[in-house]
Amino acid sequence: KNEVEQSPQNLTAQEGEFITINCSYSVGISALHWLQQHPGGGIVSLFMLSSGKKKHGRLIATINIQEKHSSLHITASHPRDSAVYICAVRVSNDMRFGAGTRLTVKP
Amino acid sequence: DAGVIQSPRHEVTEMGQEVTLRCKPISGHNSLFWYRQTMMRGLELLIYFNNNVPIDDSGMPEDRFSAKMPNASFSTLKIQPSEPRDSAVYFCASSLALAGRKQFFGPGTRLTVL
Repeated sequence: KNEVEQSPQNLTAQEGEFITINCSYSVGISALHWLQQHPGGGIVSLFMLSSGKKKHGRLIATINIQEKHSSLHITASHPRDSAVYICAVRVSNDMRFGAGTRLTVKP
Repeated sequence: DAGVIQSPRHEVTEMGQEVTLRCKPISGHNSLFWYRQTMMRGLELLIYFNNNVPIDDSGMPEDRFSAKMPNASFSTLKIQPSEPRDSAVYFCASSLALAGRKQFFGPGTRLTVL
């Protein structure tokens, strides 16, 4: 079993829909990152969380340390949100990555 | 700011050759990370530096891989000798601190070893 599990693996939505991507982890962490990888391959760091909730524009990330779970929400999704979203956790001196969620938003 | 700069963007080489990947972090950032991404294994952290000092290289796959950061504005990842299984996209990222800050990623170097 992977230490970082993401769900779903693939997600297709219609423009305007509310999107939720989940990340569960099984190890003790000091921080959790949400990354966005565009179809061209470039990676953007969206959030770094150690507790609570963060919001940036239409993106919201939450983390529950006790339940070892984080969610990434996208409100009013848009085709330009189509990308692979990767959850990464910091464990001591290492980083562990989820396999990613491929999101496709159709117009 | 130009962001994290990596070179070359693409590299094709033959098995056994030495490969050097280069990274220039964002000015003022004191942490630098090297990642590798493959279809099979996804993203992996190879090594990271804080204030030019390697903190953890446990992710470096083999002795064929080495990384240096001679100063705050430059780092290299070297593979010698290269093998076909080293084919991957190698990303460099930098941040303002070792933890507690977002990382900024470079565009990556796509390495193909024939």
